[in-house]
Amino acid sequence: DARVTQTPRHKVTEMGQEVTMRCQPILGHNTVFWYRQTMMQGLELLAYFRNRAPLDDSGMPKDRFSAEMPDATLATLKIQPSEPRDSAVYFCASGLVLRAVNNEQFFGPGTRLTVL
Amino acid sequence: AQTVTQSQPEMSVQEAETVTLSCTYDTSENNYYLFWYKQPPSRQMILVIRQEAYKQQNATENRFSVNFQKAAKSFSLKISDSQLGDTAMYFCAFRSQGGSEKLVFGKGTKLTVNP
Repeated sequence: DARVTQTPRHKVTEMGQEVTMRCQPILGHNTVFWYRQTMMQGLELLAYFRNRAPLDDSGMPKDRFSAEMPDATLATLKIQPSEPRDSAVYFCASGLVLRAVNNEQFFGPGTRLTVL
Repeated sequence: AQTVTQSQPEMSVQEAETVTLSCTYDTSENNYYLFWYKQPPSRQMILVIRQEAYKQQNATENRFSVNFQKAAKSFSLKISDSQLGDTAMYFCAFRSQGGSEKLVFGKGTKLTVNP
């Protein structure tokens, strides 16, 4: 049963601390997305990668957020230092993009982050 | 930039009845994809149905169907024979065909199915 996994599922931290969220995309998928969900802004793209290379990180605050793919089986989203306004649910999604073929994005269960 | 608008923050329906959720979008593109996602209390995002803009035929998936009006930029979701398990947030989403792969979401509609 192929699925996207995310760790941790819940994280409570204090302002100023570093937070790292991890995502394991579905094996064979070449595209990974990071979305953030808040009550005020809804669901928004932070960044996405194709074959581990960043394609779009325009939605990500550059001063404190960073996203990487150390290898094809792991994507990380890091916040340093964290702030209360970063409290949200962070979703990772993966998909297989082949030319113009429509493809579904499969979402992970999300990481609920609370910054006190 | 594309925008997606869901004008109904909350809706309710009786079990076994039919309900329609509204979605409008704004884009200057001719080729794109539209989606409806379901998010139950577990938070898991589940794809319900998708529509390619070049297809005139409305997509259907069992009890779920869409009314796609390209000229009006409207993409509504109809749920027939509503079930208690349909209770969830429903998000309409847009994706370009040639440009960015990102999904642009509406703010969602909270649907409650009453017994």
